[in-house]
Amino acid sequence: GENVEQHPSTLSVQEGDSAVIKCTYSDSASNYFPWYKQELGKRPQLIIDIRSNVGEKKDQRIAVTLNKTAKHFSLHITETQPEDSAVYFCAASIPGNQFYFGTGTSLTVIP
Amino acid sequence: NAGVMQNPRHLVRRRGQEARLRCSPMKGHSHVYWYRQLPEEGLKFMVYLQKENIIDESGMPKERFSAEFPKEGPSILRIQQVVRGDSAAYFCASSEGHSYEQYFGPGTRLTVT
Repeated sequence: GENVEQHPSTLSVQEGDSAVIKCTYSDSASNYFPWYKQELGKRPQLIIDIRSNVGEKKDQRIAVTLNKTAKHFSLHITETQPEDSAVYFCAASIPGNQFYFGTGTSLTVIP
Repeated sequence: NAGVMQNPRHLVRRRGQEARLRCSPMKGHSHVYWYRQLPEEGLKFMVYLQKENIIDESGMPKERFSAEFPKEGPSILRIQQVVRGDSAAYFCASSEGHSYEQYFGPGTRLTVT
């Protein structure tokens, strides 16, 4: 089955700086890569996703890049704000199947 | 359009009792996934169901756990004879057919005393 690794497990940045979270996957059949943000005690919320036919996708301060050859994808948050503090999970999937989640990155944005 | 609904939000059970967790998918969604999250850990897949069918239960413990998604009504995750190790947050997610996106419910936090 698929194996998703996520780094770093914790990340602290100063407000206004950028944050980068990286994930690798093992199954070349995976072709959908969502990112979820989970605040303490809340549900995971989809913040951005990318399909394997695209190398990069951006939505305001959030961007995701995908390198299919190297089997890794990354989340980039620019101009971080305190409300970006949360746990972020990456996942890899084949459509219509389960998501394989990374172990999460706890992001703290220091005001 | 209501999102994914789960109830109860919090459930306390004594060891040996049964726990029933319910999930109503988003309107128009016919695929349901159940995940378990232990404190400060990631999301672990348990089971994937479509109406009246279990598609993938590779993440379900072999004993005490079962799931269903009947033609009418919510999906139910059932845990028999609960033990303290079952204490966790249980999330369900739903998707529209074989589309990519899965949307999560608010979770049920099960505490076994």
